[in-house]
Amino acid sequence: QVQLKESGPGLVQPSQTLSLTCTVSGFSLTSNSVHWVRQPPGKGLEWVGAIWSGGSTDYNSALKSRLSISRDTSKSQVFLKMNSLQTEDTAIYFCTRMRLYYFDYWGQGVMVTVSS
Amino acid sequence: DTVLTQSPALAVSPGERVTISCRASESVSTLMHWYQQKPGQQPKLLIYKASNLASGVPARFSGSGSGTDFTFTIDPVEADDIATYYCHQSWNSPYTFGAGTKLELK
Repeated sequence: QVQLKESGPGLVQPSQTLSLTCTVSGFSLTSNSVHWVRQPPGKGLEWVGAIWSGGSTDYNSALKSRLSISRDTSKSQVFLKMNSLQTEDTAIYFCTRMRLYYFDYWGQGVMVTVSS
Repeated sequence: DTVLTQSPALAVSPGERVTISCRASESVSTLMHWYQQKPGQQPKLLIYKASNLASGVPARFSGSGSGTDFTFTIDPVEADDIATYYCHQSWNSPYTFGAGTKLELK
């Protein structure tokens, strides 16, 4: 069955770089896009960016200068790298599969805290 | 960016009908989707493309609308439906979500 699982450090120091991995199973990255969505504590959902089935990427314009999304199709993994982290980047980070135009499967999320 | 404005928090009793609205700042055609999120869990897709019920979702949930005005309905509400509901548009980039509507028990 379709599954997505995020992994990465729970704590990142301010100004440092965040690296997250989304490991997927049950579908191919060359047939589906994978997106990152984040949720600050107690707040709503924010679309972060995506890597499409062909390998191209799209980023939230507010984060674009700090963000990079890539993948390793042989390992069924999608990577998020965000630099110059600030406390406002503290959030749960979800990866999710987009089917046609909507997010049908989500990972459980990984909490990232930016603090010294 | 396309701003999605949702109903504020709503208090409901089991057995009632509840409707949540979502208004877009510009047309999103029918590419509006609805998710349910319970505390400590990931969002769950309920309705896609405005009015289509996701697989395994009870028929108590429904959606309608097009363009800029959309509604999401639960009829009847069950105690297990207490959660936050988000609308999400994928017509315009960047994709955006509403702020969420928290359903609470009366």
